[in-house]
Amino acid sequence: AQKITQTQPGMFVQEKEAVTLDCTYDTSDPSYGLFWYKQPSSGEMIFLIYQGSYDQQNATEGRYSLNFQKARKSANLVISASQLGDSAMYFCAMREALNAGKSTFGDGTTLTVKP
Amino acid sequence: DGGITQSPKYLFRKEGQNVTLSCEQNLNHDAMYWYRQDPGQGLRLIYYSQIVNDFQKGDIAEGYSVSREKKESFPLTVTSAQKNPTAFYLCASRRTSGGYNTGELFFGEGSRLTVL
Repeated sequence: AQKITQTQPGMFVQEKEAVTLDCTYDTSDPSYGLFWYKQPSSGEMIFLIYQGSYDQQNATEGRYSLNFQKARKSANLVISASQLGDSAMYFCAMREALNAGKSTFGDGTTLTVKP
Repeated sequence: DGGITQSPKYLFRKEGQNVTLSCEQNLNHDAMYWYRQDPGQGLRLIYYSQIVNDFQKGDIAEGYSVSREKKESFPLTVTSAQKNPTAFYLCASRRTSGGYNTGELFFGEGSRLTVL
């Protein structure tokens, strides 16, 4: 079974608007971490934001926030005030404490910001 | 500046040849990883190492080999047994002090391998 599911292969957003990228996950481990990474066309992977399974509050990092709904097993990334430089592929990833450090990635969402 | 260096950036290989991709980090991280990415897809784990002289197979280890003789270095060899090696390869590292479920991955810029 897919552990990380990103159902939006591609998304478009107008510059300066907010956008939500969806991510659902599957785990029976109570201790896990959720991560979002950005991959521009150059290919490098850039870490954006982290949410621990025991964190009470949703994580925020600048224009990025994570809408963490534990009961629904979802960890959606919200980008506020989109910029042209936000156009990239975005990956959701999970690491379970019982899985000895292995990270599992979703298939990604390609975000295009329109001027 | 600390970071991860992968080389070469682009590599062409003839069928039947082994090729080694280099990955060096100066972040003093214990854990290192190799991922494969095919066009338009996510990352799949090939091998990972939590400590020097120890490594484990990931989800797609067949046709690949690694070594971890130094903390800073985690080279990946793509052998002739790998049936479809053309892909983008990413090396990553992670500090392990916070536990398995914490600590983001730091990535290199990747190596693009093409088999002719």
